[in-house]
Amino acid sequence: GAGVSQSPSNKVTEKGKDVELRCDPISGHTALYWYRQSLGQGLEFLIYFQGNSAPDKSGLPSDRFSAERTGGSVSTLTIQRTQQEDSAVYLCASSYSGRAGNEQFFGPGTRLTVL
Amino acid sequence: GQNIDQPTEMTATEGAIVQINCTYQTSGFNGLFWYQQHAGEAPTFLSYNVLDGLEEKGRFSSFLSRSKGYSYLLLKELQMKDSASYLCAVRNDYKLSFGAGTTVTVRA
Repeated sequence: GAGVSQSPSNKVTEKGKDVELRCDPISGHTALYWYRQSLGQGLEFLIYFQGNSAPDKSGLPSDRFSAERTGGSVSTLTIQRTQQEDSAVYLCASSYSGRAGNEQFFGPGTRLTVL
Repeated sequence: GQNIDQPTEMTATEGAIVQINCTYQTSGFNGLFWYQQHAGEAPTFLSYNVLDGLEEKGRFSSFLSRSKGYSYLLLKELQMKDSASYLCAVRNDYKLSFGAGTTVTVRA
């Protein structure tokens, strides 16, 4: 596609359930990033992929969070046993490479609400 | 650690000029980005500065002083569609660290 796409656009779940969020990056972009945006706060880095490898997972807030990327393309962010504090907008971005200066293109995000 | 500060809100009149300041203290620096984000939408790229000085792009300009850890985004000839959140982000290698964003409201 022309841009980064994410699905679903909105997800409402009950506390304790698992959720999967999907990101389709721009074709040819080797670098992929996940961020979280909570109300009134800046974007918080979660994880960085270069190809299918994740050299930096330092932003994942707990072991309930995991992510994978397959075929150097689609990525899935999984949150297990969701908690109310997980409610946020989860944004995915991709760039041509991970090198400094390469612009990151963002998807529209998935708004997660944990009841 | 990373510390990036920008004002929370600014209001200006259509046709006017607004300057959004961003100060940063980060462990590394490979450039500074400005993004625009309309409510409920993805952030979109506005500008990138890696060297000191002013970068001009149409109605938008961005300035960087690395020695002062300071940048600003200048929006000229404000239009109603410029009402949005403006995000300052510092790049260290591959990672972007964002400020909390400045909400700009343009009034007629």
